Amino acid sequence: AAGVIQSPRHLIKEKRETATLKCYPIPRHDTVYWYQQGPGQDPQFLISFYEKMQSDKGSIPDRFSAQQFSDYHSELNMSSLELGDSALYFCASGLGKTEQYFGPGTRLTVT
Amino acid sequence: AQKITQTQPGMFVQEKEAVTLDCTYDTSDQSYGLFWYKQPSSGEMIFLIYQGSYDEQNATEGRYSLNFQKARKSANLVISASQLGDSAMYFCAMRERVQGAQKLVFGQGTRLTINP
Repeated sequence: AAGVIQSPRHLIKEKRETATLKCYPIPRHDTVYWYQQGPGQDPQFLISFYEKMQSDKGSIPDRFSAQQFSDYHSELNMSSLELGDSALYFCASGLGKTEQYFGPGTRLTVT
Repeated sequence: AQKITQTQPGMFVQEKEAVTLDCTYDTSDQSYGLFWYKQPSSGEMIFLIYQGSYDEQNATEGRYSLNFQKARKSANLVISASQLGDSAMYFCAMRERVQGAQKLVFGQGTRLTINP
């Protein structure tokens, strides 16, 4: 069965650089979520899209933005990167309220 | 705000034994959902099982079952006949109701180690 695809899987950036993470949800899923998981932490919700419209926003810094495109893929844009942005970034997709499948994650390291 | 509590930071279990991972939650919503995820050392988040607040029967998925006690606000994960490959971090999460979509609020996780 198709799963959520995230790219890249690993990314190394320097402070003050920008990064773009991509997510391709499971076909026919109508909702995409982004989560950030710091080292040794539980995942924290960043932002979600329902039918290509932003539906909810969590603890997402103003330096971050995201959008969902007409083909349902989503991108998380991160600017002026800080050391504290180093984390595992998950995209998840779902259809309805009873499921939320996570992608493999993008491990971002800021040096 | 919703809150998830996992009181066991770590658990050690012998292979083939059953194990129960505790999860309690706090919400004022009547409609909510509870999820369990497994996160191995490789980092991916693997969906295990879901329980809706209106589901009368406990959810089961293969070796996984969810012991849902609504009055006590607990949703413990039971793994029967544990295997070495079950060693991982386990997160309990609750769906927070928002218009049009949902977001998950996670507990801090329990690290399960299965000993041979």
